[in-house]
Amino acid sequence: SAVISQKPSRDICQRGTSLTIQCQVDSQVTMMFWYRQQPGQSLTLIATANQGSEATYESGFVIDKFPISRPNLTFSTLTVSNLSPEDSSIYLCSVEGTGAVGTEAFFGQGTRLTVV
Amino acid sequence: ELKVEQNPLFLSMQEGKNYTIYCNYSTTSDRLYWYRQDPGKSLESLFVLLSNGAVKQEGRLMASLDTKARLSTLHITAAVHDLSATYFCAVDRGDKIIFGKGTRLHILP
Repeated sequence: SAVISQKPSRDICQRGTSLTIQCQVDSQVTMMFWYRQQPGQSLTLIATANQGSEATYESGFVIDKFPISRPNLTFSTLTVSNLSPEDSSIYLCSVEGTGAVGTEAFFGQGTRLTVV
Repeated sequence: ELKVEQNPLFLSMQEGKNYTIYCNYSTTSDRLYWYRQDPGKSLESLFVLLSNGAVKQEGRLMASLDTKARLSTLHITAAVHDLSATYFCAVDRGDKIIFGKGTRLHILP
């Protein structure tokens, strides 16, 4: 399995500022995924981060708003820029690792962001 | 485009009753997941289903997969209050995982 440490677990930020979320994995992984979960909603994939290349963003998400770094195979950051109240969500990172039945997805603890 | 449709989205049921949550998806996939999420928490993996006809059980929860029908079910037997949570199915097509909207399950004592 993969153990993911995500920081911070929660934060309250002023509108117009930025928040950077860190995701550390206990093993080397090729792809790391960043999700957003708006209140009462499902998870939506923001982008896929591969080490050594630009992140791949899903429709509706842009690099200027959600810049991602992937400096090595165990670490990634997601920045949510120019915050507005609509950015209040839970942000989760995820990786694929080896579980009991083969490859499966593992999730970090999530970062609960509140923008005021 | 892969779509994952889950129903019902809300379910309120009495303790001791049985019920099934359905997950339909639109294209072939490598694997299907069921997750549980408690309020304000991250996702807890319940089941990973890989092949047609797969059936897995853990306690009062049983999940099955029919790849031909593109349907997975999560069956709850003799529900207890502790199972109150939101349950998500998610389909892994290899390059990304697409989530259903979730089923908010509320079990009344």
